[in-house]
Amino acid sequence: QQQVKQSPQSLIVQKGGISIINCAYENTAFDYFPWYQQFPGKGPALLIAIRPDVSEKKEGRFTISFNKSAKQFSLHIMDSQPGDSATYFCAASTGFQKLVFGTGTRLLVSP
Amino acid sequence: ETGVTQSPTHLIKTRGQQVTLRCSSQSGHNTVSWYQQALGQGPQFIFQYYREEENGRGNFPPRFSGLQFPNYSSELNVNALELDDSALYLCASKAGGPTGTDTQYFGPGTRLTVL
Repeated sequence: QQQVKQSPQSLIVQKGGISIINCAYENTAFDYFPWYQQFPGKGPALLIAIRPDVSEKKEGRFTISFNKSAKQFSLHIMDSQPGDSATYFCAASTGFQKLVFGTGTRLLVSP
Repeated sequence: ETGVTQSPTHLIKTRGQQVTLRCSSQSGHNTVSWYQQALGQGPQFIFQYYREEENGRGNFPPRFSGLQFPNYSSELNVNALELDDSALYLCASKAGGPTGTDTQYFGPGTRLTVL
């Protein structure tokens, strides 16, 4: 079954700290791994994405680490800010088509 | 903010009724996908439309159907509504066709409540 397992379900981090969210997948045909950020009342917005030919991708304060052999990938948010408080979803797809989403992580960054 | 718009914002229906949700794609986007997001869950893929034809479908029954129009706008129709159909319905559009590497942009969603 095509599943993406995401943890933790919720996360509280102090301002300036590092937020880490983890995902694992089973389907080795997946070749595109995006992370989405969703605020209440809004649709998901693409944050950062990675292909399996690289082990890490960094964009500003956001970094994806990818471990192909373990079939795991994670999102690191450096210097977390209260404005980062949102729900984060990992996802995976084959060929940029049907996205399979994780169950989400609700992040709260305390001031 | 993306250029994907959805209507209506909220909708309340009763079990057994039919509903039509609408999506206007971002300009230049020729591929539209629909997702269902239950409360506290991640979005689940319903189906994708390209060139006015269904191009991939998730694990949803035939009472979920859709249309894509020549201007790339789209509709999601759900017949014989069930209580479990209560969810946020998201539309996402992208350019470059179904297999293109362009980003999918999501609309704000339509919150459907079935009583």
